Amino acid sequence: QSVLTQPPSVSAAPGQRVTISCSGSSSNIGKNYVSWYQQLPGTAPKLLIYENNKRPSGIPDRFSGSKSGTSATLGITGLQTGDEADYYCGTWDSSLSAVVFGGGTKLTVL
Amino acid sequence: QVQLVQSGSELKKPGASVKVSCKASGHTFTRYAVNWVRQAPGQGLEWMGWINTNTGNPTYAQGFTGRFVFSLDTSVSTAYLQVSSLKAEDTALYYCATHDYGSGAHFDYWGQGTLVTVSS
Repeated sequence: QSVLTQPPSVSAAPGQRVTISCSGSSSNIGKNYVSWYQQLPGTAPKLLIYENNKRPSGIPDRFSGSKSGTSATLGITGLQTGDEADYYCGTWDSSLSAVVFGGGTKLTVL
Repeated sequence: QVQLVQSGSELKKPGASVKVSCKASGHTFTRYAVNWVRQAPGQGLEWMGWINTNTGNPTYAQGFTGRFVFSLDTSVSTAYLQVSSLKAEDTALYYCATHDYGSGAHFDYWGQGTLVTVSS
């Protein structure tokens, strides 16, 4: 049982837009930055978004992040088949004194 | 270009120990802390804790105390994860990942992962 809650799967057609939600609580998302990771099949996770909405160098602006209250959202526009992956949200939990992750969302580009 | 290169897959019997290495390059080793993240087969990411590359002080997440030890050899820019008294449920991919001191709890760079399989 993950501390952060994500939908197990989402799907959309190529070229479309998709959002992935991440729900937490006042001790984690409510007071700390959220990050998002992309894990392509058979590879290590890669940082996509940090500090709620910032993109590391090299991450295209098709990827965006936002946070409101105790929830965060990852948005992906102009979907490509290469975006098929598992996506994880993560943050610090001040009560647990630990980094916590969501259970992951599998994105299928139909 | 920051790179983290981990040691190869391991097959161990229950009760044995394993030591996974994570060699950093492309940056000053003490610039980033090293975290360890576990991913059981078909499961999500689980943070195990981190080690301060300046002081060598480790911090372990709940559930990763006792049998898990983080260590460093700064002379070769390498972090280590040792797991003792291995159990079948320790079978997983183990990743090292860096975070920048003073930044949020996000992991900028990841190793390729080390698969540890525990089986008799």
